[in-house]
Amino acid sequence: TQLLEQSPQFLSIQEGENLTVYCNSSSVFSSLQWYRQEPGEGPVLLVTVVTGGEVKKLKRLTFQFGDARKDSSLHITAAQPGDTGLYLCAGASGYALNFGKGTSLLVTP
Amino acid sequence: DSGVTQTPKHLITATGQRVTLRCSPRSGDLSVYWYQQSLDQGLQFLIQYYNGEERAKGNILERFSAQQFPDLHSELNLSSLELGDSALYFCASSEQLQETQYFGPGTRLLVL
Repeated sequence: TQLLEQSPQFLSIQEGENLTVYCNSSSVFSSLQWYRQEPGEGPVLLVTVVTGGEVKKLKRLTFQFGDARKDSSLHITAAQPGDTGLYLCAGASGYALNFGKGTSLLVTP
Repeated sequence: DSGVTQTPKHLITATGQRVTLRCSPRSGDLSVYWYQQSLDQGLQFLIQYYNGEERAKGNILERFSAQQFPDLHSELNLSSLELGDSALYFCASSEQLQETQYFGPGTRLLVL
């Protein structure tokens, strides 16, 4: 059973476009993390959100944690080819992380 | 570079065999986590160790086992391998419990 559902599964856009990916769950998490994974490498942490309603910005990336701490979104402004990768959300459950299956993003020049 | 190292990078073996994957955490990190990543299941938590002791178990099969040694490196042992065990296996480490996890580059296992 996948606790975290991510959508869309795949996204192909052109450089300069904006996009939003979603991470939804029926469970409440004490914190939620977003990772980016490139082929052949391990996931790299982008951000951790802890408080319901929290918004964090990382350059062109904006992360939002839902008020009920069950869902989150990642918005990328003016996407660049370097943003290409697999974006994973993960909810903290005890000491472990429960990951969604990810959104595979392709940004073409 | 996260500072977490994993060996080997690639492993090809046959069904029924046994393999050992090795992980060295970042310097100073006491906690090690093992994850399996497959196309259909995504990234799944297997098991966690903290300072040599098992602290949490996830979707780890009975054919799989792990340990963390006094020098804090960890090994994941996979036995009686099946085709479905083919996947990427990641190790992550954190300084303490419930802190940011840093992932290694993974071991790609192919069971033929």
